[in-house]
Amino acid sequence: GENVEQHPSTLSVQEGDSAVIKCTYSDSASNYFPWYKQELGKGPQLIIDIRSNVGEKKDQRIAVTLNKTAKHFSLHITETQPEDSAVYFCAASWVYGDKLIFGTGTRLQVFP
Amino acid sequence: ETGVTQSPTHLIKTRGQQVTLRCSSQSGHNTVSWYQQALGQGPQFIFQYYREEENGRGNFPPRFSGLQFPNYSSELNVNALELDDSALYLCASSLGGQEYNEQFFGPGTRLTVL
Repeated sequence: GENVEQHPSTLSVQEGDSAVIKCTYSDSASNYFPWYKQELGKGPQLIIDIRSNVGEKKDQRIAVTLNKTAKHFSLHITETQPEDSAVYFCAASWVYGDKLIFGTGTRLQVFP
Repeated sequence: ETGVTQSPTHLIKTRGQQVTLRCSSQSGHNTVSWYQQALGQGPQFIFQYYREEENGRGNFPPRFSGLQFPNYSSELNVNALELDDSALYLCASSLGGQEYNEQFFGPGTRLTVL
């Protein structure tokens, strides 16, 4: 069935270091892979996404890579800042899909 | 800010009661999806409404039902509330019929069932 696995569940880094979160999806028909940041008491905020026809996408300090063969995709945050501290979710969907299938989340803590 | 609004922000109900949650989609969007997020977990898909029709449903019982109105706002109704229904309920707005399923979330409604 449809499944997205996400690792690690928690990640602690020093301010200025890089953080990497990895996800694996099961449905080879998946074509859209968004990443959401969720702060305490708020809804998920879309921070970056990647489509299956692209291998890498970057937006300032955030980048996402996709390996369709291995069914892996990853979020990279460089030069982390304390305000990056939040829970990050990966998700997957497919062509003309209705639902997003979410990973279990990664709690990122950036220490000053 | 996504422009997706939800009401109320918090709600406390007792077991067996019924609840209605509301969502206004982002301007220009015609599709609303509802998700349930239990504490410490990722959101789980409940159902989606596209142009006032249910367009897909997740693994939730029939006591979870919904509506979408001509202005594309939406309601989620839950009957016969159970303790396990306590969660953050999220709605997501999107432009339906697109190849890539880009969804924007509202702030959520926190439901507590006692």
